[in-house]
Amino acid sequence: KAGVTQTPRYLIKTRGQQVTLSCSPISGHRSVSWYQQTPGQGLQFLFEYFSETQRNKGNFPGRFSGRQFSNSRSEMNVSTLELGDSALYLCASRLTSGTSFYEQYFGPGTRLTVT
Amino acid sequence: SQQGEEDPQALSIQEGENATMNCSYKTSINNLQWYRQNSGRGLVHLILIRSNEREKHSGRLRVTLDTSKKSSSLLITASRAADTASYFCATVPLRGGSQGNLIFGKGTKLSVKP
Repeated sequence: KAGVTQTPRYLIKTRGQQVTLSCSPISGHRSVSWYQQTPGQGLQFLFEYFSETQRNKGNFPGRFSGRQFSNSRSEMNVSTLELGDSALYLCASRLTSGTSFYEQYFGPGTRLTVT
Repeated sequence: SQQGEEDPQALSIQEGENATMNCSYKTSINNLQWYRQNSGRGLVHLILIRSNEREKHSGRLRVTLDTSKKSSSLLITASRAADTASYFCATVPLRGGSQGNLIFGKGTKLSVKP
């Protein structure tokens, strides 16, 4: 089975621009979560989607948004980029039934640099 | 917000030695998981221990959980250079928690020298 894929892997943007990151979960996984990782704040939860609905949202400003499509693929969008948005953005998918109920499978991440 | 705090922040050992990392957390949990991350890449799930379990083994990994002290430890036995990575504990709070919303600690950076 193919793993979680994220595109693009690297991105350089300018302050004020917006960016869209994409995540394709493992086939059969309907839950997709997004995390931001920075050296200062560590790994922080952004949001979780299940069946095209946002289930949970972390403590991030409204500039951060996401969505999930009917094939479970997910995108996250950051508008009006700030320097502090430079981070590794990780996507994770999981099954929602069976013995692997709690395990998350992570993608390789998208490294976003804002200049 | 961080739920877990790993200790130590960094650990350097020789190949063949055992590595022990500790994690403390703040609120009651449903389960606690350990993940490994190589050089700023994706995380790999290592092991999950539920709140009603005290110890779990998986290959060279041994995890313990003490809910009264709100702490967990990860032991890697007979370490190898390939174990060099950052290790994170992640919790799912009992109240208001979700399996898709893991709360991570800051991690322990393990370096295993050949």
